[in-house]
Order: sequence, then structure tokens, then C-alpha cells
Amino acid sequence: DADVTQTPRNRITKTGKRIMLECSQTKGHDRMYWYRQDPGLGLRLIYYSFDVKDINKGEISDGYSVSRQAQAKFSLSLESAIPNQTALYFCATSDFGFSGTGKETQYFGPGTRLLVL
Amino acid sequence: EDKVVQSPLSLVVHEGDTVTLNCSYEVTNFRSLLWYKQEKKAPTFLFMLTSSGIEKKSGRLSSILDKKELFSILNITATQTGDSAIYLCAVYLGNTGKLIFGQGTTLQVKP
Repeated sequence: DADVTQTPRNRITKTGKRIMLECSQTKGHDRMYWYRQDPGLGLRLIYYSFDVKDINKGEISDGYSVSRQAQAKFSLSLESAIPNQTALYFCATSDFGFSGTGKETQYFGPGTRLLVL
Repeated sequence: EDKVVQSPLSLVVHEGDTVTLNCSYEVTNFRSLLWYKQEKKAPTFLFMLTSSGIEKKSGRLSSILDKKELFSILNITATQTGDSAIYLCAVYLGNTGKLIFGQGTTLQVKP
């Protein structure tokens, strides 16, 4: 079974609709992230959460909101979808520590391909 | 503003060639630099670099970090068509724990 799962894997929606992308992990990590990927722009951070009570905006949080329902679940919502939110969305987790343990790898879900018409 | 820049953005080579991908960074609180390979799915981890001058090696892939000049390179020798992918470089910030990605280098290896 995959350690980081995302649902749905593909979604087509219309402008103005509210949609939610869900992410679950079985790695037991505290830290979870949402990224979007656009051609030529690499991965850009939308929101990140260091634990259930900690939510932080990333580089491009406008138009998005998140919910950390549990350690294992982190959802991304588009309140009113617009066409320029068409992208590939990745959830990731890590057990990054500041003690120099070397556990600084992020583990990515399979991605959700979103098309906003 | 923290930023990570990769070059070239795209590269086409033939099997057997050696390629060098570049990643430069300007960040306020560098902690480590990571390389990922992305095919038609999620990125997969390749290397993590924290110290200058120490080469990390995995088969035909190797990478090194220069913290004085603020860059890293990823070398792939004797390329194969299976090396075709997007290669992503990212820098971990020690103060915020954020990971800043470069734009990626798209590598195409032709038979």
C-alpha cells in the first residue's frame, strides 16, 4: 500500500465550484505539505502544517484553504475554482527535524490532476 | 526572497552521453539541498546534500554541493532512455522548515 495517498487522482470542475482534494498518510509524519506544479515553474508550496494545530501559508496560498483533520489527513480546498488553478497538485509528508538527524526527505503522494473549465 | 534556479531548463542527449545539471540557490537559512527525479508521477528522492565537497553517488548518478559558491550539480554518466525525466532541485530552509524548489530540468535521452 502507498504511504501517501491522494484523492481524487483526476478532477474536472467548472469555474466557481468549490472542490476539496484529500491527502492521507500512513508514515506517521507530523509534517504535511501541499504543492502545485505548473510546466516551467517547478513545485510551488501552497500550505504546510507542522502538526495538527499548526497551519502555515506557503508561496501561493491565495484562493486556497486547508484543514488538518488529524495527523494523517491534510485537505486542500479551492473555495471558488478558477481556470488558472488548473495544475498538478501534490501532497507530501516529512519527519524533518532540526537536530541534524538527516531525516529531511519529503515523501510525495501520486498527485491530483485538476482541470478548471 | 529565497530562490532556487536550475539550468538548463531542458536538455536532449543521446544514450551514452554524460550530462551535468545545475542548481544554484540564494536563501537566508540553508539547511540542506535535495535532488528528486520525476517521471510521469510523483517525485522520487535521489540525494540529500548538507556538506560542501562530499560527493554523493548512486550508480551512474552523482551529486556534489558547493556552499561557498551556492550551487550543486547532478551528474549522470552513460545516460539511458530510462533517465528521461524532470530533475528537481530543492533547498530546505533551517528556520522555517520549508522546501523551496527550482523550476526543474527536463532531460530527454534519445536512443
